[in-house]
Amino acid sequence: KAGVTQTPRYLIKTRGQQVTLSCSPISGHRSVSWYQQTPGQGLQFLFEYFSETQRNKGNFPGRFSGRQFSNSRSEMNVSTLELGDSALYLCASSSGDLSSGNTIYFGEGSWLTVV
Amino acid sequence: AQSVTQLDSQVPVFEEAPVELRCNYSSSVSVYLFWYVQYPNQGLQLLLKYLSGSTLVKGINGFEAEFNKSQTSFHLRKPSVHISDTAEYFCAVRRKTSYDKVIFGPGTSLSVIP
Repeated sequence: KAGVTQTPRYLIKTRGQQVTLSCSPISGHRSVSWYQQTPGQGLQFLFEYFSETQRNKGNFPGRFSGRQFSNSRSEMNVSTLELGDSALYLCASSSGDLSSGNTIYFGEGSWLTVV
Repeated sequence: AQSVTQLDSQVPVFEEAPVELRCNYSSSVSVYLFWYVQYPNQGLQLLLKYLSGSTLVKGINGFEAEFNKSQTSFHLRKPSVHISDTAEYFCAVRRKTSYDKVIFGPGTSLSVIP
């Protein structure tokens, strides 16, 4: 069974630009969540989508947005990039089923550097 | 609201020695508990999880953890570490009866010394 796939793995952007990151969940998983990881702030939750609807949202500015498609694939977008947006962005998928613990499984992440 | 504390930010240990990484949580409701490991330049990998039943949970790579409800702890242990265990370890919780997000601790950096 293929794991969570994130693309691109590495990218460099300039301040003010926008970026779109993509995530393909494990087959059969309907929930996709996104996290930002930085050395200073650790793992911070961005948002979670389930069946194309945003189910949870973290405390990030509106420049961070996401969406989920009918095949459960998800994208997140960051507009007007700032230097502080440089981070590892992790996508995780789960079945969305509480009874199984709703365990989340992570992808390898997308390394974003803003210069 | 739930929170997770990992008291040790860094744990150095000699190869083949035992190790315990501590995790304490606070929650007003029952939770699921998880340990994840992150190797350098990689995503997080699930080590083990506690959903219900036996409080001693065995995971991959020889790790185990014990859920202690009275002490609200979920410490991770390994009897003999290897160089390849050098990584960042994260404890996480999720409420059992809600679709709330997973809450992660700040992480513990385990360094195995040869």
